[in-house]
Amino acid sequence: DIQMTQSPASLSASLEEIVTITCQASQDIGNWLAWYQQKPGKSPQLLIYGATSLADGVPSRFIGSRSGTQYSLKISRLQVEDPGIYYCLQASSAPWTFGGGTKLELK
Amino acid sequence: EVQLQESGPGLVKPSQSLSLTCSVTGYSITSNYWGWIRKFPGNKVEWMGYISYSGSTSSNPSLKSRISITRDTSKNQFFLQLNSVTTADTATYYCARYGNYITSNYFDYWGQGVMVTVSS
Repeated sequence: DIQMTQSPASLSASLEEIVTITCQASQDIGNWLAWYQQKPGKSPQLLIYGATSLADGVPSRFIGSRSGTQYSLKISRLQVEDPGIYYCLQASSAPWTFGGGTKLELK
Repeated sequence: EVQLQESGPGLVKPSQSLSLTCSVTGYSITSNYWGWIRKFPGNKVEWMGYISYSGSTSSNPSLKSRISITRDTSKNQFFLQLNSVTTADTATYYCARYGNYITSNYFDYWGQGVMVTVSS
């Protein structure tokens, strides 16, 4: 199975701050990576797919990037509605595997 | 609008079978792929398997032969059965749709999730 190592596990940031979350894949997955946001009591929402493409309706402050087998999600200016748990997902090969999650809180 | 809704018992005894239903509205399950995902206490998330538009299935090898995913196209529902459950199967279970075209490898619509506890 492809392992996705996500960091940090938790993060506290202030409004308008830049936040970056990373996922390291254990092998080449190309651009087959997605980012999800999950708020308490809600189901995950697709933010980014194809490593860099913004899903429909997602604010442009969410930015996905890739460097080799390391993938990053940047929130350019943290907003009050952004806290939650963020997950990466590799969709290169079965079994699909998720990162361990990053809990983002407002400071 | 595509909507998915999980249903099933919230409490299952160890060694018994867990059975869940995903009811889909606003879209036919004879298109796209449809998956089951679970989230454990502590936030670990695991892909369990999928059923395709044609009825073919694939599942996570970690579940070995315990899992079965089936469907009823007349009711636009698909199902999860997990046999011989243990307390380690306690989780929130989600059904989800795989997207179209460039998002076909990703889950774009999810149900709200159903919490299942395995306990005697």
